[in-house]
Amino acid sequence: GAVVSQHPSRVICKSGTSVKIECRSLDFQATTMFWYRQFPKQSLMLMATSNEGSKATYEQGVEKDKFLINHASLTLSTLTVTSAHPEDSSFYICSAQEGQGTYEQYFGPGTRLTVT
Amino acid sequence: GENVEQHPSTLSVQEGDSAVIKCTYSDSASNYFPWYKQELGKGPQLIIDIRSNVGEKKDQRIAVTLNKTAKHFSLHITETQPEDSAVYFCAASLSKTTFGDGTTLTVKP
Repeated sequence: GAVVSQHPSRVICKSGTSVKIECRSLDFQATTMFWYRQFPKQSLMLMATSNEGSKATYEQGVEKDKFLINHASLTLSTLTVTSAHPEDSSFYICSAQEGQGTYEQYFGPGTRLTVT
Repeated sequence: GENVEQHPSTLSVQEGDSAVIKCTYSDSASNYFPWYKQELGKGPQLIIDIRSNVGEKKDQRIAVTLNKTAKHFSLHITETQPEDSAVYFCAASLSKTTFGDGTTLTVKP
Protein backbone atom coordinates (compact mmCIF):
# COMPACT_ATOMS: atom_id res chain seq x y z
CA GLY A 1 0.00 0.00 0.00
CA ALA A 2 0.88 3.72 0.19
CA VAL A 3 1.90 4.14 -3.43
CA VAL A 4 2.49 7.56 -4.92
CA SER A 5 3.00 8.04 -8.65
CA GLN A 6 4.38 10.96 -10.63
CA HIS A 7 4.03 11.79 -14.27
CA PRO A 8 6.03 12.35 -16.33
CA SER A 9 9.19 10.70 -15.03
CA ARG A 10 11.33 12.79 -17.36
CA VAL A 11 10.62 15.93 -19.34
CA ILE A 12 12.73 18.15 -21.54
CA CYS A 13 11.34 21.55 -22.45
CA LYS A 14 12.53 24.71 -24.06
CA SER A 15 13.26 27.85 -22.11
CA GLY A 16 10.16 30.00 -21.69
CA THR A 17 7.64 27.16 -21.85
CA SER A 18 5.58 25.74 -18.98
CA VAL A 19 5.63 22.20 -17.67
CA LYS A 20 3.04 20.41 -15.55
CA ILE A 21 3.95 17.54 -13.23
CA GLU A 22 1.26 15.32 -11.72
CA CYS A 23 1.40 13.57 -8.37
CA ARG A 24 -1.15 10.91 -7.48
CA SER A 25 -1.76 8.84 -4.39
CA LEU A 26 -2.94 5.52 -5.78
CA ASP A 27 -4.30 3.64 -2.81
CA PHE A 28 -5.03 6.23 -0.16
CA GLN A 29 -6.48 9.68 0.22
CA ALA A 30 -3.84 12.33 0.72
CA THR A 31 -5.06 15.32 2.66
CA THR A 32 -1.61 16.86 2.41
CA MET A 33 0.90 16.72 -0.38
CA PHE A 34 4.39 18.17 -0.45
CA TRP A 35 6.59 19.24 -3.33
CA TYR A 36 10.36 19.00 -3.06
CA ARG A 37 13.24 19.91 -5.28
CA GLN A 38 16.53 18.06 -5.27
CA PHE A 39 19.73 19.11 -7.01
CA PRO A 40 22.42 16.50 -7.78
CA LYS A 41 24.08 15.08 -4.67
CA GLN A 42 22.05 17.34 -2.41
CA SER A 43 19.24 16.88 0.04
CA LEU A 44 15.54 17.44 -0.50
CA MET A 45 14.39 21.02 -0.23
CA LEU A 46 10.72 21.59 0.55
CA MET A 47 9.11 23.95 -1.93
CA ALA A 48 5.51 23.98 -0.78
CA THR A 49 2.84 22.20 1.18
CA SER A 50 -0.62 21.76 -0.28
CA ASN A 51 -3.81 20.72 1.40
CA GLU A 52 -6.76 19.51 -0.62
CA GLY A 53 -9.08 22.35 -1.54
CA SER A 54 -6.93 25.17 -0.22
CA LYS A 55 -4.04 27.30 -1.41
CA ALA A 56 -0.55 25.94 -1.12
CA THR A 57 1.86 27.24 1.48
CA TYR A 58 5.19 28.10 -0.09
CA GLU A 59 8.57 28.04 1.59
CA GLN A 60 10.60 31.19 1.82
CA GLY A 61 12.36 31.95 -1.44
CA VAL A 62 10.01 29.87 -3.61
CA GLU A 63 8.08 32.00 -6.11
CA LYS A 64 4.43 31.06 -5.98
CA ASP A 65 3.73 32.62 -9.37
CA LYS A 66 6.45 30.54 -10.96
CA PHE A 67 5.65 27.24 -9.29
CA LEU A 68 1.89 26.86 -9.42
CA ILE A 69 0.46 24.15 -7.22
CA ASN A 70 -3.05 22.78 -7.43
CA HIS A 71 -4.45 20.15 -5.06
CA ALA A 72 -7.97 19.77 -6.39
CA SER A 73 -8.69 16.29 -5.08
CA LEU A 74 -7.59 13.95 -2.34
CA THR A 75 -5.55 11.91 -4.79
CA LEU A 76 -4.06 14.47 -7.16
CA SER A 77 -1.76 17.45 -6.89
CA THR A 78 -0.06 19.21 -9.77
CA LEU A 79 3.01 21.41 -9.97
CA THR A 80 3.33 23.70 -12.97
CA VAL A 81 6.68 25.30 -13.63
CA THR A 82 5.85 28.43 -15.60
CA SER A 83 8.22 30.14 -18.01
CA ALA A 84 10.89 27.59 -17.25
CA HIS A 85 14.57 28.52 -17.43
CA PRO A 86 17.68 26.34 -17.41
CA GLU A 87 18.21 27.05 -13.70
CA ASP A 88 14.85 25.34 -13.04
CA SER A 89 16.35 22.06 -14.24
CA SER A 90 16.19 19.72 -11.27
CA PHE A 91 14.64 16.57 -9.81
CA TYR A 92 11.15 17.34 -8.52
CA ILE A 93 9.64 14.94 -6.01
CA CYS A 94 6.21 14.92 -4.43
CA SER A 95 5.11 13.18 -1.29
CA ALA A 96 1.72 12.49 0.21
CA GLN A 97 0.47 12.23 3.75
CA GLU A 98 -2.64 10.32 4.66
CA GLY A 99 -5.01 12.06 7.04
CA GLN A 100 -4.37 14.56 9.77
CA GLY A 101 -2.48 13.46 12.81
CA THR A 102 -0.39 11.00 10.81
CA TYR A 103 3.24 11.56 10.12
CA GLU A 104 4.37 9.22 7.41
CA GLN A 105 5.16 10.76 4.05
CA TYR A 106 5.20 8.53 1.02
CA PHE A 107 7.27 9.77 -1.87
CA GLY A 108 6.72 9.57 -5.58
CA PRO A 109 9.47 8.38 -7.93
CA GLY A 110 10.38 11.91 -8.97
CA THR A 111 10.39 13.88 -12.22
CA ARG A 112 13.61 14.89 -13.92
CA LEU A 113 13.09 18.29 -15.56
CA THR A 114 15.63 19.55 -18.07
CA VAL A 115 15.16 23.01 -19.52
CA THR A 116 17.19 23.72 -22.66
CA GLY B 1 13.48 26.59 12.32
CA GLU B 2 14.64 23.01 12.62
CA ASN B 3 18.20 22.10 11.66
CA VAL B 4 19.25 18.50 11.07
CA GLU B 5 22.88 17.48 10.81
CA GLN B 6 23.83 14.09 9.47
CA HIS B 7 27.15 12.28 9.40
CA PRO B 8 29.12 10.77 7.93
CA SER B 9 28.49 12.07 4.42
CA THR B 10 29.99 8.92 2.94
CA LEU B 11 30.39 5.47 4.44
CA SER B 12 31.99 2.42 2.92
CA VAL B 13 31.72 -1.02 4.56
CA GLN B 14 32.41 -4.61 3.66
CA GLU B 15 29.47 -6.88 3.02
CA GLY B 16 28.33 -8.40 6.29
CA ASP B 17 29.61 -5.55 8.42
CA SER B 18 27.39 -3.08 10.27
CA ALA B 19 26.78 0.52 9.26
CA VAL B 20 25.81 3.36 11.57
CA ILE B 21 24.58 6.79 10.51
CA LYS B 22 24.03 9.54 13.08
CA CYS B 23 21.86 12.64 13.08
CA THR B 24 21.29 15.53 15.45
CA TYR B 25 18.39 17.95 15.47
CA SER B 26 17.90 21.36 17.02
CA ASP B 27 14.17 21.72 17.74
CA SER B 28 13.22 19.81 20.89
CA ALA B 29 9.58 19.96 19.79
CA SER B 30 10.20 17.64 16.82
CA ASN B 31 8.40 14.39 17.51
CA TYR B 32 8.79 12.17 14.47
CA PHE B 33 12.04 10.92 12.98
CA PRO B 34 11.92 8.97 9.71
CA TRP B 35 14.77 7.47 7.73
CA TYR B 36 14.69 7.26 3.96
CA LYS B 37 16.69 5.28 1.43
CA GLN B 38 17.13 6.83 -1.99
CA GLU B 39 18.54 4.95 -4.95
CA LEU B 40 19.93 6.80 -7.93
CA GLY B 41 17.24 8.51 -9.99
CA LYS B 42 14.41 7.43 -7.69
CA GLY B 43 12.31 8.97 -4.96
CA PRO B 44 13.10 8.38 -1.27
CA GLN B 45 11.67 5.26 0.32
CA LEU B 46 10.71 5.21 3.99
CA ILE B 47 12.65 2.39 5.65
CA ILE B 48 12.02 2.96 9.34
CA ASP B 49 10.74 5.68 11.62
CA ILE B 50 10.52 6.44 15.30
CA ARG B 51 8.35 8.70 17.36
CA SER B 52 9.52 10.76 20.30
CA ASN B 53 7.87 8.56 22.90
CA VAL B 54 10.00 5.57 21.89
CA GLY B 55 13.74 5.06 22.42
CA GLU B 56 14.43 2.26 19.99
CA LYS B 57 12.77 0.45 17.13
CA LYS B 58 13.93 -2.53 15.12
CA ASP B 59 12.83 -4.06 11.84
CA GLN B 60 14.88 -7.08 10.79
CA ARG B 61 18.38 -5.79 9.95
CA ILE B 62 17.51 -2.15 10.54
CA ALA B 63 17.22 -0.38 13.88
CA VAL B 64 16.84 3.23 14.94
CA THR B 65 17.64 4.72 18.34
CA LEU B 66 16.53 8.07 19.68
CA ASN B 67 18.00 10.10 22.53
CA LYS B 68 15.60 12.98 23.13
CA THR B 69 17.71 14.56 25.82
CA ALA B 70 20.74 14.80 23.57
CA LYS B 71 18.60 15.41 20.48
CA HIS B 72 20.23 12.78 18.38
CA PHE B 73 19.10 9.64 16.62
CA SER B 74 20.91 6.93 14.73
CA LEU B 75 20.30 4.32 12.06
CA HIS B 76 21.93 0.92 12.43
CA ILE B 77 22.10 -1.57 9.58
CA THR B 78 23.47 -5.00 10.43
CA GLU B 79 24.72 -7.71 8.06
CA THR B 80 24.95 -5.24 5.22
CA GLN B 81 24.41 -6.41 1.65
CA PRO B 82 25.42 -4.80 -1.65
CA GLU B 83 21.78 -3.89 -2.28
CA ASP B 84 21.90 -1.69 0.82
CA SER B 85 24.14 0.68 -1.18
CA ALA B 86 22.22 3.95 -1.57
CA VAL B 87 21.89 7.43 -0.12
CA TYR B 88 20.24 7.50 3.30
CA PHE B 89 18.49 10.58 4.68
CA CYS B 90 17.41 11.21 8.23
CA ALA B 91 14.67 13.71 8.97
CA ALA B 92 13.01 15.43 11.89
CA SER B 93 9.40 16.44 11.79
CA LEU B 94 6.82 18.41 13.70
CA SER B 95 4.49 20.24 11.34
CA LYS B 96 7.10 20.19 8.62
CA THR B 97 9.88 17.73 7.78
CA THR B 98 13.52 18.80 7.69
CA PHE B 99 16.03 16.46 6.06
CA GLY B 100 19.68 15.86 6.77
CA ASP B 101 22.18 16.20 3.95
CA GLY B 102 22.35 12.47 3.31
CA THR B 103 24.88 9.66 3.68
CA THR B 104 26.13 7.73 0.67
CA LEU B 105 26.53 4.14 1.83
CA THR B 106 28.61 1.77 -0.27
CA VAL B 107 28.65 -1.91 0.63
CA LYS B 108 31.55 -3.71 -1.00
CA PRO B 109 31.01 -7.38 -1.90
